Amino acid sequence: GAVVSQHPSWVICKSGTSVKIECRSLDFQATTMFWYRQFPKQSLMLMATSNEGSKATYEQGVEKDKFLINHASLTLSTLTVTSAHPEDSSFYICSAFGTGWETQYFGPGTRLLVL
Amino acid sequence: DAKTTQPTSMDCAEGRAANLPCNHSTISGNEYVYWYRQIHSQGPQYIIHGLKNNETNEMASLIITEDRKSSTLILPHATLRDTAVYYCIVRGSGNTGKLIFGQGTTLQVKP
Repeated sequence: GAVVSQHPSWVICKSGTSVKIECRSLDFQATTMFWYRQFPKQSLMLMATSNEGSKATYEQGVEKDKFLINHASLTLSTLTVTSAHPEDSSFYICSAFGTGWETQYFGPGTRLLVL
Repeated sequence: DAKTTQPTSMDCAEGRAANLPCNHSTISGNEYVYWYRQIHSQGPQYIIHGLKNNETNEMASLIITEDRKSSTLILPHATLRDTAVYYCIVRGSGNTGKLIFGQGTTLQVKP
């Protein structure tokens, strides 16, 4: 199957700082990527859809100025959590589609802890 | 996208078949049924998907009823490593369709 990686796998930061998470498709070109967030003992919640070369589409209730998404190439999308606060602590997961594919593949996730 | 209903939890004995049901009574004609699973603290793993015919791959089988209002994921010989949360998701065709996760079924495989 297709491989999606995320970096870093976990990060601890101080409140008020910004954190960037990278999502890469390693062996295919991803025209569309998705970002999810998952709190403990809850299901995945879709945050936004990212298309290469265009602005991300955010789900209702997700602050676009706080969660900046950039999909600058066909293999890389980044999520920047700006001015992070403890309530932003969560498990962030990305997924990607290849062109013409029917199946999304997920990255391993990034665990963010804001102190 | 159609909503799905799954049991909250299930147990299965190691080596036996695990049958995970899913109801999707409002599914549309062009919507696929997808199954993913999430092992603790990892990203979801794709298992299988289908439109109306039954499907089988190296991981599992997917049985879809003729009216497409429900389906069953079958893990033929469950192992302890199959303990995970299993998500049944209905999604339209094309790569712009989102995967919206419900609460899923927590499958506990016991020795």
